Amino acid sequence: SQTIHQWPATLVQPVGSPLSLECTVEGTSNPNLYWYRQAAGRGLQLLFYSVGIGQISSEVPQNLSASRPQDRQFILSSKKLLLSDSGFYLCACWGGATNEKLFFGSGTQLSVL
Amino acid sequence: GQQVMQIPQYQHVQEGEDFTTYCNSSTTLSNIQWYKQRPGGHPVFLIQLVKSGEVKKQKRLTFQFGEAKKNSSLHITATQTTDVGTYFCAGPNSGTYKYIFGTGTRLKVLA
Repeated sequence: SQTIHQWPATLVQPVGSPLSLECTVEGTSNPNLYWYRQAAGRGLQLLFYSVGIGQISSEVPQNLSASRPQDRQFILSSKKLLLSDSGFYLCACWGGATNEKLFFGSGTQLSVL
Repeated sequence: GQQVMQIPQYQHVQEGEDFTTYCNSSTTLSNIQWYKQRPGGHPVFLIQLVKSGEVKKQKRLTFQFGEAKKNSSLHITATQTTDVGTYFCAGPNSGTYKYIFGTGTRLKVLA
């Protein structure tokens, strides 16, 4: 079955600093990959998704970007973090078939101070 | 764009009481999935419903997909403290690979 590795688990960054969160997937090939953000006590906001290497779709205009340099690697980045970027970031993987579920990584709790 | 709303946003129940959360989509869904997120954890898949009017059960949990495939519900009978968490419904955005999550219902069970 699929396994998603996401790191780090927690991160504290100053405003204006850069960000790089990495997600890697095992147990599947050519997956659809997703980045979600969750504010404290809130729902899941879809940030980016990718259906293949180098293919990124952005859902929310912001100072974040995503890249997919390899089939099973998905990276979330920022050049300059804002206070509003704080939240719980979740990477997810979907095989693409209609009867398949989303698998989530364990998440990264980002605090921008 | 497609929106998926859930009510209630929060629910506190005494252990042993029943609980229901409702999910409503602004568009017709080809299928709907339900996830549970424990405090501090990540969402974990519970079930998928595909057919109009479908009802599925998992022990004390009953899931229903509406006839028009625009709404769904999750009912928990005789809640236990292990049911604590946030329950999300999620559906695929038609014609895309996006999965849109509902706003979630946070359940707290008082012992």
